[in-house]
Amino acid sequence: GQNIDQPTEMTATEGAIVQINCTYQTSGFNGLFWYQQHAGEAPTFLSYNVLDGLEEKGRFSSFLSRSKGYSYLLLKELQMKDSASYLCAVMDSNYQLIWGAGTKLIIKP
Amino acid sequence: IAGITQAPTSQILAAGRRMTLRCTQDMRHNAMYWYRQDLGLGLRLIHYSNTAGTTGKGEVPDGYSVSRANTDDFPLTLASAVPSQTSVYFCASSDTSGGTDTQYFGPGTRLTVL
Repeated sequence: GQNIDQPTEMTATEGAIVQINCTYQTSGFNGLFWYQQHAGEAPTFLSYNVLDGLEEKGRFSSFLSRSKGYSYLLLKELQMKDSASYLCAVMDSNYQLIWGAGTKLIIKP
Repeated sequence: IAGITQAPTSQILAAGRRMTLRCTQDMRHNAMYWYRQDLGLGLRLIHYSNTAGTTGKGEVPDGYSVSRANTDDFPLTLASAVPSQTSVYFCASSDTSGGTDTQYFGPGTRLTVL
């Protein structure tokens, strides 16, 4: 079966750095996506990786290792507004997105 | 309209009733999707459409139907609602003609079936 694993919840301090991990087992791979979802709102696109390595976008970076079936989202200089759920999703061989259950990130002052 | 809109925002429905959730996008994306999101579970695909006039079944299609008469609209119908269909429903769209196929989401419909 297809599976996406990510931690259920993480806590971090304002101004710090946090890394959210995602491991996947899917039938085929056509890219990995990270989305942010604030409570009661829709998911919004953060990043996309299809090749191994690090993609940096401001305070957010995403890393991919296809051989290890592993990705992480790195958030720097955490702000209170970063409190949200972070969803990892993999596009499989049928170009359908397989979603993890999400990681709820709690930021403390 | 900018992006994707969904209606209604929320709805309480008696079991056995028929309900249509509406979704409209103005980005001229060829592909559209319906997901449900339940606590502790990832988004699950109900139905999708790769282009106007075609539809396909996702992971959890039972009890739901869709149509895609034109590029912009993708309604989801519950023929006879059951309590297990209580969920938050998100519509999404993407341009699959090239690039990353990134999906963009509507604001969601919170449905409660009693």
